[in-house]
Amino acid sequence: KNQVEQSPQSLIILEGKNCTLQCNYTVSPFSNLRWYKQDTGRGPVSLTIMTFSENTKSNGRYTATLDADTKQSSLHITASQLSDSASYICVVRALRTNAGKSTFGDGTTLTVKP
Amino acid sequence: NAGVTQTPKFRILKIGQSMTLQCTQDMNHNYMYWYRQDPGMGLKLIYYSVGAGITDKGEVPNGYNVSRSTTEDFPLRLELAAPSQTSVYFCASSYGVSPNTGELFFGEGSRLTVL
Repeated sequence: KNQVEQSPQSLIILEGKNCTLQCNYTVSPFSNLRWYKQDTGRGPVSLTIMTFSENTKSNGRYTATLDADTKQSSLHITASQLSDSASYICVVRALRTNAGKSTFGDGTTLTVKP
Repeated sequence: NAGVTQTPKFRILKIGQSMTLQCTQDMNHNYMYWYRQDPGMGLKLIYYSVGAGITDKGEVPNGYNVSRSTTEDFPLRLELAAPSQTSVYFCASSYGVSPNTGELFFGEGSRLTVL
C-alpha cells in the first residue's frame, strides 16, 4: 500500500532559526514528490517538486532534498519568519497511475514564534 | 485569473439535509478534484474528473456525488448530510498529471458543519 509519513507532526521554533521537515514514502514506482504549504484557513500552495533525477532544489528560503534510494525527502527552512507558520504537506505521485492517485502525508504543523 | 473558486465558504446543515458545494476554475485545467480535510488529518480524495463528462471515485466517495458538465465546473453534492461529513472541503485542479503539469491548484475551502 502506498503511504507517505511525515515527521514531526508539529514543530515550534523561534523566528530566525532553521528547521527541517521529513517525508518518508513507500509509493512505487516513484514519479514525483511535491511539498505544499497550507496557511491556516487557506488551500495548499505548491512550494517545490522533486523528480527522480533531482537531489536538491531551492525556492527562496526553502530547500527540498530527495533520496530516491531510501525514499526520503526533507524540506529545510532557513532563517524562519513568522509567515512560515503553516502546515507543510508532502504529496507523492506514482508512475503509470490514474489521475486521482496522489498520496498525501498528514502534514507537519510549523509554528514560528517571535 | 481567479484560479479555483469555491462557494460557499461556510455552511451549517441539519442531519438529513442536502446541499451542493460549487467549484469553478478559469485556468482551462482538464483535471479537477474534491478533497476533504478533517482536523489534524491529511487530505482525502472524494471524487475526481479527468475532463468534462468523466468522473471517478476517490478514497472516500460514500455520501457524495459529482458531475462535470463543463471544463470549468465541478460541483460536489452531499445527499442526506450526516455528522461524519463535518469537514473542510477543498476543490483543486491541475492541467495534467505529469511532473510538469501535475501541480494542484486549490480553492480556499468550504467549511461544512452538520448538526
